[in-house]
Formats: sequence, structure tokens, C-alpha cells
Amino acid sequence: SQTIHQWPATLVQPVGSPLSLECTVEGTSNPNLYWYRQAAGRGLQLLFYSVGIGQISSEVPQNLSASRPQDRQFILSSKKLLLSDSGFYLCAWSPSTRTGELFFGEGSRLTVL
Amino acid sequence: SQQGEEDPQALSIQEGENATMNCSYKTSINNLQWYRQNSGRGLVHLILIRSNEREKHSGRLRVTLDTSKKSSSLLITASRAADTASYFCATVRYNQGGKLIFGQGTELSVKP
Repeated sequence: SQTIHQWPATLVQPVGSPLSLECTVEGTSNPNLYWYRQAAGRGLQLLFYSVGIGQISSEVPQNLSASRPQDRQFILSSKKLLLSDSGFYLCAWSPSTRTGELFFGEGSRLTVL
Repeated sequence: SQQGEEDPQALSIQEGENATMNCSYKTSINNLQWYRQNSGRGLVHLILIRSNEREKHSGRLRVTLDTSKKSSSLLITASRAADTASYFCATVRYNQGGKLIFGQGTELSVKP
């Protein structure tokens, strides 16, 4: 069966520090991969999605970036965090089909101080 | 931009009652999905309804879709305390790469 792992689960970082959140999927190949951000009490905002290695689409201009160095690995990064980057980050995957059903990781809670 | 908008934002009911949540969207879609999120956790897919379907059932869940009104509803029958969670609708347009666009969610509280 397919599983998705996301880490770290919790992160407290000072303003201006770098960020790296990792997500890996097991049990499937060539998945579509997504990064969403959820502010407190709000809906999900799509940040990045990828349909293949090295193929990244950005939905919202910001100081975050994403990379997909391997088929089942998706990384969210920042060189310098802002206070506004605080939030709950969710990685998700879907089969490379058109239905769009997503399977989510457990999330990474980032607090920027 | 957000596509789906849920109503109400928060709903509090007693165990055993039915819970109805509504979702409206703005543009044409290929399918609409409902997800559940327990506090501090990832989202879990509940049900998918395609644009050519009007109603779908899964256990205690009933979803309707009215494409003419661009709206959907999620009904949870005989609610339980364990149903307490946030519920989100998400729309999919295949000509946008199958990306899901989520609404703001309805926070459901079921009191025992």
C-alpha cells in the first residue's frame, strides 16, 4: 500500500533562517506531488505542484521554493524565513491520473519567531 | 484564488443529529471532493462526485451536486462525537492539471 511521510512534524525557526521540509511517498511511482499551506483556522492554499522529477509549478509568488530531486521526494525550502511563513504545511500526492483525489501527509507545523 | 466556499463556517450539534454542510464554487468543474481534517492532522479524502452525478452515498455520508447552482452539500447522518472535525470541499478542473482548490472549511462539533 502507498504511504506518505512528512518531516519534521514541528519546527520553530527564527526570522531569516533557512527552511527545509521533506516529503516522501512509498508504494507508488510517478505520483503528482503537492505542497499546501494552511493558516490557522483557514483553508488550504496550494503552493507548488509537480508532475515529474524536476518539474515544479508555483502557484503563489513568495520566498519559498520547491524541488523534486527524485520521483517520490518533494522538498519545500526557503533561504530566509519571514514571520508570515508560519503555518501548517501539508504534502500530498495523487496518482498520475485526472481524478485529482489527494492523499495527505500528517503535516509540518512551522512557527517563525 | 479560492474556488469553494463552505457554509456554515462552524456547526455545533448533538450526537445523533444530522449535520449538513454546503459548498459553493464559481467556475465549471470536473469533479468535487469532500475531505475531513481532525485538529492538527492531515486531510483525509471522504468522497468524490463527478460533474455528471447528482448524488452519491458512502456509509453515513450523502453528497449532492447541483452544477446549475454551482453548489454541493455534505450530509452526515446520525452524527457521532468522533465526527468532530473540519470538513473541506475541493474542486477539480482537468484543464488546470487536475489541481484541487479548497474552500475555507466547516468546523463541525458533535457534542455527546
